[in-house]
Amino acid sequence: KQEVTQIPAALSVPEGENLVLNCSFTDSAIYNLQWFRQDPGKGLTSLLLIQSSQREQTSGRLNASLDKSSGRSTLYIAASQPGDSATYLCAASVYNQGGKLIFGQGTELSVKP
Amino acid sequence: EPEVTQTPSHQVTQMGQEVILRCVPISNHLYFYWYRQILGQKVEFLVSFYNNEISEKSEIFDDQFSVERPDGSNFTLKIRSTKLEDSAMYFCASRLRLAGGYEQYFGPGTRLTVT
Repeated sequence: KQEVTQIPAALSVPEGENLVLNCSFTDSAIYNLQWFRQDPGKGLTSLLLIQSSQREQTSGRLNASLDKSSGRSTLYIAASQPGDSATYLCAASVYNQGGKLIFGQGTELSVKP
Repeated sequence: EPEVTQTPSHQVTQMGQEVILRCVPISNHLYFYWYRQILGQKVEFLVSFYNNEISEKSEIFDDQFSVERPDGSNFTLKIRSTKLEDSAMYFCASRLRLAGGYEQYFGPGTRLTVT
C-alpha cells in the first residue's frame, strides 16, 4: 500500500532564502509524482509533474526531483518570496490502480518579509 | 485554459439528508476522480471512474456514496444519508491519460458542512 510522507510539517524562512521540501513514498510503482500548492481554505494548484522516467522538472523558481529507487522527491524553491507562503503537497499517482493520487500531509511554508 | 468546475462551492445540509455534488471535468479527459479533505487532514482518495464505471474505490467510499456521469459532461458524487463526519472539502479531478506527463487537474472544491 502506497504511503506518502512529507518532512518537515512546517517551515518558516526569511524572504530570499532557498529552501527544499521533502517527500518520500513507499512504493516505486508510480505513473508520476505531482507537487501542488494549497492556500488556506482553497483548492489545489498543480505546480510540477515528474514522470516516473524523469529525474527532474523545472518551472521558474521551482525545481522538483525524483529518485524512484530511494522513494524520494524534493521540491526546491529558489529566492523565496512572501507570496510563496502556502501548504505544499506532494502526491504519487499509483500504478495500475486507476491512477489515483496518494497525498502526503503537506509542508506549511511561511516566508517572512 | 480548460478547467474543472464544481458546484456548489459550499453546501450546508442536515444529518441524514442526501446531497449531490456536481463537477464538470475537462471535456476530452477520460479519467475522473473524487477526493476529500477533512479540515486539517490529508487529501484522501475516494473513487476513480473510467469508461463509465468505477475503476477503484477507497474504504471510505461505502454504500452511502455513489458516482455517476449522467450525460457525458457532468460527473456527480452522491451521499445518500450524510453524517457529521462527512463534513469536508470535496475535490473533483480529471485526467486525459494515466501514463506519461498527464496531470490530474483539480476543481476548486465543494465545502460540505453537515449539521
